[in-house]
Amino acid sequence: AQSVSQHNHHVILSEAASLELGCNYSYGGTVNLFWYVQYPGQHLQLLLKYFSGDPLVKGIKGFEAEFIKSKFSFNLRKPSVQWSDTAEYFCAVKAWEYGNKLVFGAGTILRVKS
Amino acid sequence: DAGITQSPRHKVTETGTPVTLRCHQTENHRYMYWYRQDPGHGLRLIHYSYGVKDTDKGEVSDGYSVSRSKTEDFLLTLESATSSQTSVYFCAISESRQDLNTEAFFGQGTRLTVV
Repeated sequence: AQSVSQHNHHVILSEAASLELGCNYSYGGTVNLFWYVQYPGQHLQLLLKYFSGDPLVKGIKGFEAEFIKSKFSFNLRKPSVQWSDTAEYFCAVKAWEYGNKLVFGAGTILRVKS
Repeated sequence: DAGITQSPRHKVTETGTPVTLRCHQTENHRYMYWYRQDPGHGLRLIHYSYGVKDTDKGEVSDGYSVSRSKTEDFLLTLESATSSQTSVYFCAISESRQDLNTEAFFGQGTRLTVV
């Protein structure tokens, strides 16, 4: 079965610290990869996406992610976090071979201390 | 924002009663999904649809059924609600075809409480 693993459930950082959130998925083949963010009390918003091409993807608010096919990974990074980045972050994967089911990881709650 | 409307936005119901949640889209996207969100579990897929009358189960489908009689509407039914189904439910839509491949767009969510 498809699965998506996010390595850290809670992360606490100080402002200006660098961020890396891990995401691994369990299957090969052609995949579409996503990172979503959910601010408190709100619905999910797309941060960035990978469909094909350059494996280094840039998204909104200074976030980027790198697709490493050999490692089945799609890690999210930001060089310098801000207090406003406090939110929950979700990695998600969609694959043609699995009927385009969109499967999410369990999420990482990021708290940025000012 | 993508044209997705979930109704109701909030509902309190009693154990054993049937409940139907509605997701309505105006984007004509083929794929529609129902998720539940619970602390520590992220978003778990309940059911999804890949076209009118075409649906499939997700990872937590027990106790839930769905129907899609029109492209724009995807209904989630709890036949006999239980307290374990207290959750926030999100609908999402996306498109995947040769000329258009999109991310998922989410509705605002429905907070369901089963007492």
